[in-house]
Amino acid sequence: RKEVEQDPGPFNVPEGATVAFNCTYSNSASQSFFWYRQDCRKEPKLLMSVYSSGNEDGRFTAQLNRASQYISLLIRDSKLSDSATYLCVVTPMNTGFQKLVFGTGTRLLVSP
Amino acid sequence: DADVTQTPRNRITKTGKRIMLECSQTKGHDRMYWYRQDPGLGLRLIYYSFDVKDINKGEISDGYSVSRQAQAKFSLSLESAIPNQTALYFCATSDPGLTNEQFFGPGTRLTVL
Repeated sequence: RKEVEQDPGPFNVPEGATVAFNCTYSNSASQSFFWYRQDCRKEPKLLMSVYSSGNEDGRFTAQLNRASQYISLLIRDSKLSDSATYLCVVTPMNTGFQKLVFGTGTRLLVSP
Repeated sequence: DADVTQTPRNRITKTGKRIMLECSQTKGHDRMYWYRQDPGLGLRLIYYSFDVKDINKGEISDGYSVSRQAQAKFSLSLESAIPNQTALYFCATSDPGLTNEQFFGPGTRLTVL
């Protein structure tokens, strides 16, 4: 079983739609959680951290469910510029340092 | 100017050749990392360094070596390149702190024929 699993998509949505991605992780001792965004052939960039209480940044909302070991990302009012691959990233607790474990990504395509 | 730079950006080489990928950063971070990205496999850690002369293996270090001679520079070498090392390589930096955010370079696309 992969440490971090994501639906690869693609998720095809029209502009203005609301879309949600889930990500599951296998290590129950995982400590930190993030969503990174990666545009085609570009470097990953941090989109947002995911806190236990959930957090919101504009149109983006991230949630953590420790009991079920998944995190989610909700995007409201999708824009064409949101088209990208969204990487779920987890930091296991027992690795000696805060190594980042990346999921393979979920691809989002927003169309006019 | 970019905070994390990588050279070359693209490289095509032949099996058995020695290749060096360079990474430089102006962020002043102590921690630096090398990853490779393959379709369907996500980013995987090759080596990481927490300070000058500090070198640690990641999950896929076989066939690679690194050098950290200065805080700002971290180079990755393939001593004898093989086709399954064809991938997109990223360098990243971080500052130990609460966020643990890593900052990535633009990547080097390496093709081994």
